[in-house]
Amino acid sequence: GQQLNQSPQSMFIQEGEDVSMNCTSSSIFNTWLWYKQEPGEGPVLLIALYKAGELTSNGRLTAQFGITRKDSFLNISASIPSDVGIYFCAGQGTGSSASKIIFGSGTRLSIRP
Amino acid sequence: DAGVIQSPRHEVTEMGQEVTLRCKPISGHDYLFWYRQTMMRGLELLIYFNNNVPIDDSGMPEDRFSAKMPNASFSTLKIQPSEPRDSAVYFCASSPPGVAYEQYFGPGTRLTVT
Repeated sequence: GQQLNQSPQSMFIQEGEDVSMNCTSSSIFNTWLWYKQEPGEGPVLLIALYKAGELTSNGRLTAQFGITRKDSFLNISASIPSDVGIYFCAGQGTGSSASKIIFGSGTRLSIRP
Repeated sequence: DAGVIQSPRHEVTEMGQEVTLRCKPISGHDYLFWYRQTMMRGLELLIYFNNNVPIDDSGMPEDRFSAKMPNASFSTLKIQPSEPRDSAVYFCASSPPGVAYEQYFGPGTRLTVT
């Protein structure tokens, strides 16, 4: 089945640093999504990408839909403490799975002590 | 506007007991999804509904799990009998017509089976 490989698994940041994470798949996806999950809460949709090559921003967050439709990345500029959480990429399935989304394993973002 | 509502937020039960988790989707949304999240397996889709009809239940672990959606504003996920390996956070999500992939998650129910 379709699977997403998300990296890195975890990262430590200092306030003010830029952050980059990515997601790859061996399968094509029609839509890429990025979610953030904070402790004790459900994932919250941050950005949705609909076309290959599309670059979309949401405040300090920027995400791109890869040209091959098999990858996506998320950048966070000038990180702040409230950016801490788990970031999930997700891809919309194709064909009979078009109503489902497949989640990556997540990137845990922490503040470096 | 109210988001997806789930109850209870926490449930502790003994092995063998029946557990019922509840979800109220966002008004106007016609897709409803049940997920399970664990450290080992991440976020897994269990089942989803469209217009109250179950579309894909291939993620339901086994016959002990069942889900219903009697109307557009309510769904339940039942585990009977529960086992310790069912301990996880269970999320309900809903999405608007035509954009099933833009899912809005509830706060989850943390289930502990002892």
